[in-house]
Amino acid sequence: GESVGLHLPTLSVQEGDNSIINCAYSNSASDYFIWYKQESGKGPQFIIDIRSNMDKRQGQRVTVLLNKTVKHLSLQIAATQPGDSAVYFCAESSSGTYKYIFGTGTRLKVLA
Amino acid sequence: KAGVTQTPRYLIKTRGQQVTLSCSPISGHRSVSWYQQTPGQGLQFLFEYFSETQRNKGNFPGRFSGRQFSNSRSEMNVSTLELGDSALYLCASKDHDNEQFFGPGTRLTVL
Repeated sequence: GESVGLHLPTLSVQEGDNSIINCAYSNSASDYFIWYKQESGKGPQFIIDIRSNMDKRQGQRVTVLLNKTVKHLSLQIAATQPGDSAVYFCAESSSGTYKYIFGTGTRLKVLA
Repeated sequence: KAGVTQTPRYLIKTRGQQVTLSCSPISGHRSVSWYQQTPGQGLQFLFEYFSETQRNKGNFPGRFSGRQFSNSRSEMNVSTLELGDSALYLCASKDHDNEQFFGPGTRLTVL
């Protein structure tokens, strides 16, 4: 499959445990944030997003937390499953720029 | 609805050649963005088009160009290819909301 990053930080978690993936963003003007999941050989897949007027948003098994004070974003995955193994990227955007800036990515490995 | 499609999926070129990659967005999506993904630099924004107009571009040399057609399909072109242009080129489309949908990418290898 495609290699999306040879030197990515790796998070290894036991199946069934919760995972927390962190991301520091750079632009204090960013007002929209997204988490993507990328599996080998595929393009990034949208997981969840959050706007800057919120500090928490929940989806199915996933929660995104936003701390604008320290420019930090996190993705929490509950009851991690083998199918969650992938590379996870955060991305930021600011209104009117029409561009997304991606973080370096974190590889999540789920141990059986 | 069909997803974002990109052609070709794989391409091998030699230094100095040029290449054109194609992207068909999801039906109804008018915004198309292009990204370059490499192990060393990660995902980097190339440009974004909306209704045939480029609204923003990233920090890439002029050898990288793109365009969008009236049916929202987009192409990107890289001229005078260099070894460092080897990468996965991703296209993403979106509608009026911010959620971007990515295609599978075109893997370009420059020899």
